Amino acid sequence: DAGITQSPRHKVTETGTPVTLRCHQTENHRYMYWYRQDPGHGLRLIHYSYGVKDTDKGEVSDGYSVSRSKTEDFLLTLESATSSQTSVYFCAISEGRASNQPQHFGDGTRLSIL
Amino acid sequence: DAKTTQPTSMDCAEGRAANLPCNHSTISGNEYVYWYRQIHSQGPQYIIHGLKNNETNEMASLIITEDRKSSTLILPHATLRDTAVYYCIVRGDSWGKLQFGAGTQVVVTP
Repeated sequence: DAGITQSPRHKVTETGTPVTLRCHQTENHRYMYWYRQDPGHGLRLIHYSYGVKDTDKGEVSDGYSVSRSKTEDFLLTLESATSSQTSVYFCAISEGRASNQPQHFGDGTRLSIL
Repeated sequence: DAKTTQPTSMDCAEGRAANLPCNHSTISGNEYVYWYRQIHSQGPQYIIHGLKNNETNEMASLIITEDRKSSTLILPHATLRDTAVYYCIVRGDSWGKLQFGAGTQVVVTP
């Protein structure tokens, strides 16, 4: 299995509080991604990174920011959490961006915002 | 990326081969077929991918028809731990994004 660790695995917090999720990889892969998974919507890309300090938006980026100061770490921040951001968040990594290079996923963070 | 169509669910007996179909009739020439699975409360797990030729790895085999409009994932000897939702995805040149549909819920029974 790909060396991807997400933390925390579960979190419950209140509306309006900031939340940071961490993804740590040991594979030295250049590309990292944050997805959210919700019933009826499948996996949706939030943000991705193509190198240290190089990030870009995905399809559902509003309300989220990311940072990547080291190859191995990709942080997802909810500046002011809302109930609509209750979801399961997955981090993924890939060696390259070519369509024949698979993404590998972590085990997710289950986030509940009350 | 092309859309895919999979059956909603299927059952398989433990020890038997599981054959999971996927239709992708609008696939383009440069698009790969990927299979992932997701076991409850875990992240999606990469299984296999292919472009034109059949592929095999330690987990499964992927058979792609000559016209590439459909494919079949084969789990040669299903075990109870193979119970999961299986996703067939077509991926082209879009920037890293994977589009997961509803998938097939596979239940392996003793």
